Amino acid sequence: DAGVIQSPRHEVTEMGQEVTLRCKPISGHDYLFWYRQTMMRGLELLIYFNNNVPIDDSGMPEDRFSAKMPNASFSTLKIQPSEPRDSAVYFCASSLDWTANEQFFGPGTRLTVL
Amino acid sequence: LAKTTQPISMDSYEGQEVNITCSHNNIATNDYITWYQQFPSQGPRFIIQGYKTKVTNEVASLFIPADRKSSTLSLPRVSLSDTAVYYCLVLRRSSASKIIFGSGTRLSIRP
Repeated sequence: DAGVIQSPRHEVTEMGQEVTLRCKPISGHDYLFWYRQTMMRGLELLIYFNNNVPIDDSGMPEDRFSAKMPNASFSTLKIQPSEPRDSAVYFCASSLDWTANEQFFGPGTRLTVL
Repeated sequence: LAKTTQPISMDSYEGQEVNITCSHNNIATNDYITWYQQFPSQGPRFIIQGYKTKVTNEVASLFIPADRKSSTLSLPRVSLSDTAVYYCLVLRRSSASKIIFGSGTRLSIRP
């Protein structure tokens, strides 16, 4: 398996624009997680899905953020409208189940909002 | 979930054994101790997980005393490539909510 795939790897946009980050989890993994990493706040869990259903979105910072998982092989994290403070590295991770607690992280998307 | 406390940074030399201790005083019965490693410009990578006593794999060992209020990640004979940030997490197998990575320990290995 190729591991968790994220796209794009880098995104530069202007304030107010819509940003969509994409993730393909490892095949067969039932859990998918979205994280955000910044120097100030470290690595934060935003939302996670189990079998394509959002379980906990309490980490999503504002209504400007939304995440979907239309099927087992694809998820998106959307920011609309984007703001400079959204600049961060966004990671997607997947895990086989939760009993193992082992998450496999993607390479991340570095987002810069000007 | 229990909050974890670990040193902000550590330095060591190639070939040495490195021990990183993590404090988790409020750990609950259902909680497991998990360590991740993160290299610059990469996502975190799972290293090891344990509940009590000692766990060893090809990468590291994890020592957990009987009271489970702390744990120690041991990296044998480190090399320059072990320079990374190491995160100690307390996770509950019944729920993936409230995962907190914290600030981690920035380990620097010198020649």
